[in-house]
Amino acid sequence: QSALTQPASVSGSPGQSITISCTGTNTDVGGYKHVSWYQHHPGKAPKLMIYEVSNRPSGVSNRFSGSKSGNTASLTISGLQTEDEADYYCISFTSTGTYVFGTGTEVTVL
Amino acid sequence: QVQLVQSGAEMKKPGASVRISCKASGYSFTSYHMHWVRQAPGQGLEWMGMIDSHGRRTIYAQSFQGSLTLTRDSSSTTVYMELTSLRSDDTAVYYCARELPDSYFLDYWGQGTQVTVSS
Repeated sequence: QSALTQPASVSGSPGQSITISCTGTNTDVGGYKHVSWYQHHPGKAPKLMIYEVSNRPSGVSNRFSGSKSGNTASLTISGLQTEDEADYYCISFTSTGTYVFGTGTEVTVL
Repeated sequence: QVQLVQSGAEMKKPGASVRISCKASGYSFTSYHMHWVRQAPGQGLEWMGMIDSHGRRTIYAQSFQGSLTLTRDSSSTTVYMELTSLRSDDTAVYYCARELPDSYFLDYWGQGTQVTVSS
């Protein structure tokens, strides 16, 4: 199972919006609603930001939103803040009953 | 509060095995699956496998078939990850993370365990 494809890096100025894509196939992202997104600061445990494509856990800022079209899921961060600087990963359930992560995206706030 | 506390750092030689524990507390242990994820230096997160809430079913990523074994002990509310035939590219931080069955997301994670494989 190949990793889902994410851009290596995305940057934006404070207050701007950025979108991170996560592209798979019809046997993972395209075939299920079971896509979630995690924020990861190196050396710390990953944090759930979005689940089931577009649902936000309690406690996560409403500046984070998710969507999906075909084989590509997306995470949008609006009103970018310096605290949003981190690595972001998508993960999808797959047709074999396993899971596959995206390649990861480093978000930089300029 | 929910806590997943992992065992400490390990240093192993190539060809050896490593066993990491993940002690759960603050929730009903047998109500959640447990997944394992790793991150090698400079690399992304990699999903390794999952053991179901009662320890009856495991599923492993293809790249870990034959080398990874997940087990769990309800009496001690602990999940174990054993990786055999270690190679230098198994050097990574290993995380446990729980999933409510059929939720398909990981809501709480352990703090991570560094495993270093070196001769």
